[in-house]
Amino acid sequence: EIVLTQSPATLSLSPGERATLSCRASQRVSSYLAWYQQKPGQAPRLLIYDASNRATGIPARFSGTGSGTDFTLTISSLEPEDFAVYYCQQRSSWPLITFGQGTRLEIK
Amino acid sequence: EVQLVESGGGLGQPGGSLRLSCAASGFTFSSYEMNWVRQAPGKGLEWVSYISTGGSTIYYADSVKGRFTISRDNAKSSLYLQMNSLRADDTAIYYCANGYKYLDYWGQGTLVTVSS
Repeated sequence: EIVLTQSPATLSLSPGERATLSCRASQRVSSYLAWYQQKPGQAPRLLIYDASNRATGIPARFSGTGSGTDFTLTISSLEPEDFAVYYCQQRSSWPLITFGQGTRLEIK
Repeated sequence: EVQLVESGGGLGQPGGSLRLSCAASGFTFSSYEMNWVRQAPGKGLEWVSYISTGGSTIYYADSVKGRFTISRDNAKSSLYLQMNSLRADDTAIYYCANGYKYLDYWGQGTLVTVSS
């Protein structure tokens, strides 16, 4: 099973600041990685797929980079609605897709 | 607008059964692969099961294999999860989500609690 490790577990920032979230895979997953956002009491929402492609309707302040084992989600300037939990997910070992444990982005 | 609405959750007995449903609208259901994903209280996400557009290809996570059965009715735009031999560690919010290898849209989930 491909294990995804996200860091940091919690990130405390202020609105307007830049957020950088990391996801590391236990083995190479090419560019087959996605990022999801989950707000309290809500379902996850797809943000980024194939490492760097924004999903439909996702603002340009969200960007993804990386390939192989190391990936980054960047939010260029935090809006109040961006404070949430973020998960990465790999599809390299489909059908056994796996998720990271999540990074909580909280208001400082 | 894509809508996925889960139902059927509730309290289940250890060793018992529950059947979850997911009603889809706003897209051509028969053209989309579907999945179930669960989230234990306060925990992360775990993929549970996948079904192809016509229902001929099905996969399960090892944790539910042999106990859960996924199915779909394209005429009714509905997805199902039959959960048998329930265990305490099946307690979670169960989400249906469409997509092939990524999960494009998700429902709001239905809570399953397994307890005596």
